[in-house]
Amino acid sequence: GENVEQHPSTLSVQEGDSAVIKCTYSDSASNYFPWYKQELGKRPQLIIDIRSNVGEKKDQRIAVTLNKTAKHFSLHITETQPEDSAVYFCAAHNAGNMLTFGGGTRLMVKP
Amino acid sequence: SAVISQKPSRDICQRGTSLTIQCQVDSQVTMMFWYRQQPGQSLTLIATANQGSEATYESGFVIDKFPISRPNLTFSTLTVSNMSPEDSSIYLCSVVSRGRTDTQYFGPGTRLTVL
Repeated sequence: GENVEQHPSTLSVQEGDSAVIKCTYSDSASNYFPWYKQELGKRPQLIIDIRSNVGEKKDQRIAVTLNKTAKHFSLHITETQPEDSAVYFCAAHNAGNMLTFGGGTRLMVKP
Repeated sequence: SAVISQKPSRDICQRGTSLTIQCQVDSQVTMMFWYRQQPGQSLTLIATANQGSEATYESGFVIDKFPISRPNLTFSTLTVSNMSPEDSSIYLCSVVSRGRTDTQYFGPGTRLTVL
């Protein structure tokens, strides 16, 4: 089955700096890659996603890149703000309609 | 996206008892899933709730422990049976809206503590 590795597990940045979270997946048939943000005590919220027919997608300060050949994808947050502090999860969706999640990254943005 | 609610939002239960968690969506959805999130951990899929038929369980999860119902396209229940402290987790339902095949949205979760 699919295996998704996520790095780093924790990330601390200064407000205004950029943050990058990386994920690798094992199943070459996976074709959809969402990112979720989970604040403490809240549900995971979809923040951006990318499908296998594109290499990059941006939404304001957030961008995701996908390298299908290398089977990895990354989340980029620019101009980080304290409210970006949360746990971020990547996931990979395969033909079996299943989402496999990475282990999560705890992002801390220091004011 | 669909509005998803779960009941109860939290509960504290005694070992050996069972708890049924409800997931209600405000519109018909194609797929519903149940996940478990242990403290400080990622999300693990328990099963896919199939409308009108038995749920499809992932490795490590069995119907006797986690019976699931999905009587229609907007509602599902997950029961955690014969609970032990190891079942203390957040249980989340997620849905894929009609017209979509992959994008999942999560309910608010049920925080379960077993004493």
